[in-house]
Amino acid sequence: AQSVAQPEDQVNVAEGNPLTVKCTYSVSGNPYLFWYVQYPNRGLQFLLKYITGDNLVKGSYGFEAEFNKSQTSFHLKKPSALVSDSALYFCAVRDINSGYALNFGKGTSLLVTP
Amino acid sequence: KAGVTQTPRYLIKTRGQQVTLSCSPISGHRSVSWYQQTPGQGLQFLFEYFSETQRNKGNFPGRFSGRQFSNSRSEMNVSTLELGDSALYLCASSPDSSYNEQFFGPGTRLTVL
Repeated sequence: AQSVAQPEDQVNVAEGNPLTVKCTYSVSGNPYLFWYVQYPNRGLQFLLKYITGDNLVKGSYGFEAEFNKSQTSFHLKKPSALVSDSALYFCAVRDINSGYALNFGKGTSLLVTP
Repeated sequence: KAGVTQTPRYLIKTRGQQVTLSCSPISGHRSVSWYQQTPGQGLQFLFEYFSETQRNKGNFPGRFSGRQFSNSRSEMNVSTLELGDSALYLCASSPDSSYNEQFFGPGTRLTVL
């Protein structure tokens, strides 16, 4: 089955510092990977995706993610964190055995302190 | 372009009742998926509809059902509610391609008492 894992429940970072939210994947075939962010009492907002091509994917709000096939990872990064980046982040993989369904990781809570 | 809308935003029901949630996808999007989000289980796929047909279904009991109308709007129904059905139910729409991301609505918060 296609799955992703987010090994950290919470990541704390100071404002202005770089941030990384980790995600590893397990898929058969080519992975279709996504990152979403969720603010309190809101739905999920799409940040970026990897389908094919360059391993460094740029997305919304200054976020980017690096696809690493040898390490089966798709970590989310941002060079300089903002307090407003504090939210819940989800990594997801498209389950090709279930059409267009997304299999989500457990989520990582990001806290950026002033 | 308007985003995905879900109604109602909040619902309180009692055990044994049934509930219907509604989702209007982004204009032009024909695929609609439903997810359940709970603190314990995280985000779980319920089902996906395309052109009024259920294309895929997650691992949920038959109490959970859905449908899609000709205008792509979708509803999901939960019958004989249980306490464990309390969750945020999210609807997502997308164009019909495996390369496309899904766009999520704000969700319906269901509380079962």
